[in-house]
Amino acid sequence: QMQLQESGPGLVKPSETLSLTCTVSGGSISIYYWSWIRQSPEKGLEWIGTIYYSGTTNYNPSLKSRVTISIEPSETRFSLRLSSVTAADTAVYYCAASYVSGSYREHWFHPWSQGTLVTVSS
Amino acid sequence: EIVMTQSPATLSVSPGERATVSCRASQSVSTNLAWYQQKPGQPPRLLIYGASTRATRIPARFSGSGSGTEFTLTISSLQSEDFAVYYCQQYDDWPLYSFGQGTKVEIK
Repeated sequence: QMQLQESGPGLVKPSETLSLTCTVSGGSISIYYWSWIRQSPEKGLEWIGTIYYSGTTNYNPSLKSRVTISIEPSETRFSLRLSSVTAADTAVYYCAASYVSGSYREHWFHPWSQGTLVTVSS
Repeated sequence: EIVMTQSPATLSVSPGERATVSCRASQSVSTNLAWYQQKPGQPPRLLIYGASTRATRIPARFSGSGSGTEFTLTISSLQSEDFAVYYCQQYDDWPLYSFGQGTKVEIK
């Protein structure tokens, strides 16, 4: 059964860059789209962006200017960088997968990682 | 951006009773809608996709219906493990995905 695990600092200072990595185990990185999603009491669940193993990315327009998602297929992991963070970026961050096979692509998220709380504070 | 609105915010139901959660889209999403269940301290768990198809190992008491802008998640006979928060997600507007704000199903 495929599992996803995030790693990264739980505390980031305002104006700095939030960096998280999601490591995939038990699944092939080439047959999924990989997404970052965050959850906060203020905004609920918010899709941040998605990457394919080829490197193709899509970002939420509301975050696009600050987000970079990258992938290392050989290491079966992908990463999130969110620059110029403020308190509004405090949230639980999840990574999640969406299956793809040829022209068939799923757009729901399954499975999800356990989630990691990132707090933006000085 | 397609805005997803769920109602009610909180639903109080007795075990064994039926629960119905509604989700409305600000514009048609056809049947490109998924439902998730989230328990405290856990990530969302996929329940339904394609508006009405149960995901793997999801009990038959969970059912989804609707198309266009109006959708419903029904839990036919609530079990103790079903008390949780439920979210809808549209993917018609991909790659811009959006979620509802959640409906908490609590014990009456």
